[in-house]
This record gives sequence, structure tokens and C-alpha cells, in this order.
Amino acid sequence: GNSVTQMEGPVTLSEEAFLTINCTYTATGYPSLFWYVQYPGEGLQLLLKATKADDKGSNKGFEATYRKETTSFHLEKGSVQVSDSAVYFCALTNYGGATNKLIFGTGTLLAVQP
Amino acid sequence: GAVVSQHPSRVICKSGTSVKIECRSLDFQATTMFWYRQFPKKSLMLMATSNEGSKATYEQGVEKDKFLINHASLTLSTLTVTSAHPEDSSFYICSAASLTGWRTEAFFGQGTRLTVV
Repeated sequence: GNSVTQMEGPVTLSEEAFLTINCTYTATGYPSLFWYVQYPGEGLQLLLKATKADDKGSNKGFEATYRKETTSFHLEKGSVQVSDSAVYFCALTNYGGATNKLIFGTGTLLAVQP
Repeated sequence: GAVVSQHPSRVICKSGTSVKIECRSLDFQATTMFWYRQFPKKSLMLMATSNEGSKATYEQGVEKDKFLINHASLTLSTLTVTSAHPEDSSFYICSAASLTGWRTEAFFGQGTRLTVV
């Protein structure tokens, strides 16, 4: 079946530190991969996505590369800010099915300290 | 991106009463809407998938008689928690997608914090 595994948090960093949040997946076929961000008290917002192998998604300084050989989609940012503090979810959807259903990892809380 | 509005954002209800949560796609027609439940420090659990004009498809372990889902139009889906109990307290999130194109994106509402007392 399809599943997503991401590193447990919380991840606590100082401002301007380098961020990596690991995400690996299991899927049949050709999934699309996503990172969503959830700020305190809010719903989810799409941060970036990649739809095929070797694609790199990027947004707001965050990047993730779809690595089919390692079934990974790690999230990185070179210099985090306090405003990046949030929960980050890795997700996949497998368009082999009909419903466009998203499967989420457990989420990683990022806390950035000034 | 497209806008999905979820209402109310917070609701407190008494045990045994029913609560309705609305999810609206404001600027596109959502052929499919998804309802998720988020437990503290846990991931989002998909509860059900609803397609406009047809019955919702519930995930295994989700009580369809307790969580009533209606998707009567292309811009509105509702989730009704019937005879709510304290264990139903949670954060509920909807998302909406239009499946008319290949590999379309799902957009999320702001979520509803339900507290049953």
C-alpha cells in the first residue's frame, strides 16, 4: 500500500540555521509528492510539490527533490526564520486511483528560536 | 491558489447534540471533497471522500451513521457529527479538489476545532 514516513519532531533550531526534514515513501505506480505546512490554529497550506522523479519543488526558500531511487522527498531550507515555526507534513497522492486521495506523514513540528 | 472556506472555525457543544461543519469552495467547482480528522500530535486521518451528488465513501473504521457527509453541490459539502461525545473532540479539516484535469491539487479549509463537553 501507499504510506509516508517522516522524521519525528520536534525540531528546534536557531534562526538562520539549516533545516532538513526527512521524508520517505512507499507507493505503487507514479505518485506525486507534497509538503504541506500548518501554522498554529490554521489549516494546511501547500508549500511545494513534485510530480515526477528528479523534479525539484521550491517555494519561500524551501526545496525538496523527488528521488525515486531512494523513495525520498526531504525538505530543506538554507536559513530558517522564526516565522517558519509550524508543523510540516509530507504527503503523497497516487493518481493510479480515482479519488486524488492524499496520504500524510505524521507531521514534524519545527520550532525556530530567535 | 483556490480558496476553501470552512465554518465554523471553533465550536463547543454539549454531549449528545449534533454539530454541522460546512466546507465551501469559493472560486472553483469541487467535484470531490475530503474530510480529515487530526488528533493531537498525530497526522491527518482521512475520514471520507465525497463526490458531488453521490454518497460519500468512508474509510475503514469511520462510522458513517455518526459522521454524516453531504455533498449536494459543487461548492458545498457538510459534515455533521451526530450525538457528539467528548471523544469526538478533535480538529476537523476539509479539502476540495476538482478532478476535471490531470493531477489536480487539493485545497484545504482552515479547519474546525470541535470541543464536546
